[in-house]
Amino acid sequence: AQKVTQAQTEISVVEKEDVTLDCVYETRDTTYYLFWYKQPPSGELVFLIRRNSFDEQNEISGRYSWNFQKSTSSFNFTITASQVVDSAVYFCALSESPTSGTYKYIFGTGTRLKVLA
Amino acid sequence: AAGVIQSPRHLIKEKRETATLKCYPIPRHDTVYWYQQGPGQDPQFLISFYEKMQSDKGSIPDRFSAQQFSDYHSELNMSSLELGDSALYFCASSLGGYEQFFGPGTRLTVL
Repeated sequence: AQKVTQAQTEISVVEKEDVTLDCVYETRDTTYYLFWYKQPPSGELVFLIRRNSFDEQNEISGRYSWNFQKSTSSFNFTITASQVVDSAVYFCALSESPTSGTYKYIFGTGTRLKVLA
Repeated sequence: AAGVIQSPRHLIKEKRETATLKCYPIPRHDTVYWYQQGPGQDPQFLISFYEKMQSDKGSIPDRFSAQQFSDYHSELNMSSLELGDSALYFCASSLGGYEQFFGPGTRLTVL
């Protein structure tokens, strides 16, 4: 069965600090996809990144970086020099190749990040 | 670029009433997903459609039904509404693959 665990319920940091959000996943598939979404107080889901199981390259996008490690089934997200605008709930999600049907997403429970000025 | 459209954006209903949420996928997308996000919770998969046929089903209550029409838009019908149905309902569309594009959501409040 597929499962996503975000053990950190809430994190508070002071502006300009670095922060890492953890994501651990479980799947029996060899082909799967991982995602990170940001949900600001307005409620929409903002896509941040996707990774497929065959691509373990880490990625950096501005102040954001992602570390994908299949050996530990983790897909962690780091924000460097955090800003108040980074305050939001962040969700990690997993999608497996369907045997039939569609690529439904399984979300983790989310991590609420508060960046204090 | 065109995005997923959901209507209405906000809806207030009384208990035991019926609600209909609409989703208009990105043009040429053939797959629609519905998710429910309760207060303080993560989005939960409800149901999906591929080429107008129901494709997969999650923990969708029997009081809920959905369909995808010939123009690929989808509607989620909820009857006998309960307080616990208050949530943010997301629709997402895709072109048959793993990449889903989410709409802005419909916030349903049941009083």
